[in-house]
Amino acid sequence: GNSVTQMEGPVTLSEEAFLTINCTYTATGYPSLFWYVQYPGEGLQLLLKATKADDKGSNKGFEATYRKETTSFHLEKGSVQVSDSAVYFCALSDQGTDDKIIFGKGTRLHILP
Amino acid sequence: DTAVSQTPKYLVTQMGNDKSIKCEQNLGHDTMYWYKQDSKKFLKIMFSYNNKELIINETVPNRFSPKSPDKAHLNLHINSLELGDSAVYFCASSGTSTAETYNEQFFGPGTRLTVL
Repeated sequence: GNSVTQMEGPVTLSEEAFLTINCTYTATGYPSLFWYVQYPGEGLQLLLKATKADDKGSNKGFEATYRKETTSFHLEKGSVQVSDSAVYFCALSDQGTDDKIIFGKGTRLHILP
Repeated sequence: DTAVSQTPKYLVTQMGNDKSIKCEQNLGHDTMYWYKQDSKKFLKIMFSYNNKELIINETVPNRFSPKSPDKAHLNLHINSLELGDSAVYFCASSGTSTAETYNEQFFGPGTRLTVL
């Protein structure tokens, strides 16, 4: 079945550091890939997405590229801010199977000033 | 102009009680969902409704019963609450999929349920 694996946290970085959160997936069809972010005390928000191979999703300085050859969708940001502290979820949705979104277990990110 | 709203935000109750959580979306979406997030932040889908019709029904105890009076509302009723039901429950909605918006979901703020 479909699944998403992302690096376990917490990840702690200093402000302005480079961020990478790894995400790999397993899917039987041609999934769309997402990163959602959950700020403290809030619901999830879509951060970025990519719907086909080699697409790059980007938003708020974050980027992720859909790599079919490595089945990966790693999240990157060149210079993190304290306000980026949150839990980040990698997710996939496979229209070829049952359309539901499958989330990874989430990675908590702490940014120190 | 809240997009997806849930009530209550916090719910503290005794084991064995019956409780309901309400969800409303004003985005005009056809599909709504309930998720459970445990203390380790693991997010698991419970139910999905499309236009008031049950689409996804994951393996959850039958003490949990969703009800959709119309496509803008999806409520979750829980009977005979147990300690293990303590979690944050999120409602979400999504609209008609297009190449640009495929299955993008909009989440409510969550309801933190504590069973004592």
